This record gives sequence, structure tokens and C-alpha cells, in this order.
Amino acid sequence: DADVTQTPRNRITKTGKRIMLECSQTKGHDRMYWYRQDPGLGLRLIYYSFDVKDINKGEISDGYSVSRQAQAKFSLSLESAIPNQTALYFCATGTDRSLNTGELFFGEGSRLTVL
Amino acid sequence: GENVEQHPSTLSVQEGDSAVIKCTYSDSASNYFPWYKQELGKRPQLIIDIRSNVGEKKDQRIAVTLNKTAKHFSLHITETQPEDSAVYFCAKTGGFKTIFGAGTRLFVKA
Repeated sequence: DADVTQTPRNRITKTGKRIMLECSQTKGHDRMYWYRQDPGLGLRLIYYSFDVKDINKGEISDGYSVSRQAQAKFSLSLESAIPNQTALYFCATGTDRSLNTGELFFGEGSRLTVL
Repeated sequence: GENVEQHPSTLSVQEGDSAVIKCTYSDSASNYFPWYKQELGKRPQLIIDIRSNVGEKKDQRIAVTLNKTAKHFSLHITETQPEDSAVYFCAKTGGFKTIFGAGTRLFVKA
């Protein structure tokens, strides 16, 4: 099945460590997103990308960076992790811009704990 | 500008009753308003959406209304069932950037 796959699914790390969360998709979608989910705060947009050469900041990009290595891959990096980055992270994809449906397809999430 | 306000944060109803969740926004660029359902431990999934040129849309027991002038939209679930228990997120999309509300945790008591 065409899907959105995130690795790792769970990660525990220490303050100051560099962490990379990876996302790959087989849906053939142009648009890819990274969100973080915290209780009571919903899903907040970190970065999004429309194609390999396009990277855009979202609502809360400070402390994060991204790389769109290929149409199907979008990775999120925390250069120096801090405890308040403990959260559930979701990657999502969106259909081709010409269709303009707006629907997002989410991965299963990556739970990150920073001690 | 960017925020979506969602209310209530928690909603408890008896099985068979209706549930209503409301969201408001302030910008003029958003033209697509999806609703996502997230069951416990699962990923969010789209359940219904509405475009800015439509005032109401219905799909079986769920419906969404949009008042673009007042900048608010609502999700209505009728004849609620225990399997409707989940977190529901409203969202707005403009320029392919989707911003979510904080979510409503719905409990349906059997």
C-alpha cells in the first residue's frame, strides 16, 4: 500500500544530542510537512516543502531544520535537542498542487523524548 | 492571523446524542477547511472537509457548516456512537499551508 513511513517510531535521547527523524512516502505527492503534537496544543507546523528545492518555515521552526533529499524523502533534524522538544512528531504529505484538495496524509508518528 | 481557535477542548455526550465542535479563524486567505479524527494511538485522518464557496456539507452522520463572513465553521455529529470517541481537529488551509486547532477530545458514553 502506498503510505507515509516515519523512522524511528520512538527515540529517547539526552539534552544536546543531534537527532534526525526521517520520513519517506510512496504516494507520489509533491508536498511534505512536519508537525509536532503536544497535549492541548494540537498539531503545530514546523516546516513544509513543495518540492526538492522548496523549503518553508512553519509556525514553530526555531530549533529545527529540514532536508528534502528527494521527492519522496523529507527529514527533520534537531541540532541540539532540549527537553521542551519532547513531543510526538508527524510527517504528512499532500496531493499535487494542481488538484488543490488540501487533504493531508499522515505517517504513524515519531515519539521523541529528550531527557 | 495564523491561529485557529477550537472549542470546546473536551466534550462528553451520551450515546445517541449530538456533538458540536466550533472553530474560528481571522485571515482572509484560507479557502479550505478540513476536519481530522485521531483515535487513541493512531494518526490523524480526514473525515470531512468544506471549501470556502460552500456553506454546508453532509456525509451520513457528520456535517460541517461554514460561515465565511463571520469566519467560523463547525462540525456536527448526530446519533453519536462509542466509536466516535476520539480527538477531533479542525484546520484551515491557504496556499497549501494547513494550520490546526488545538483539538477537541470527544467522549461518547454508552
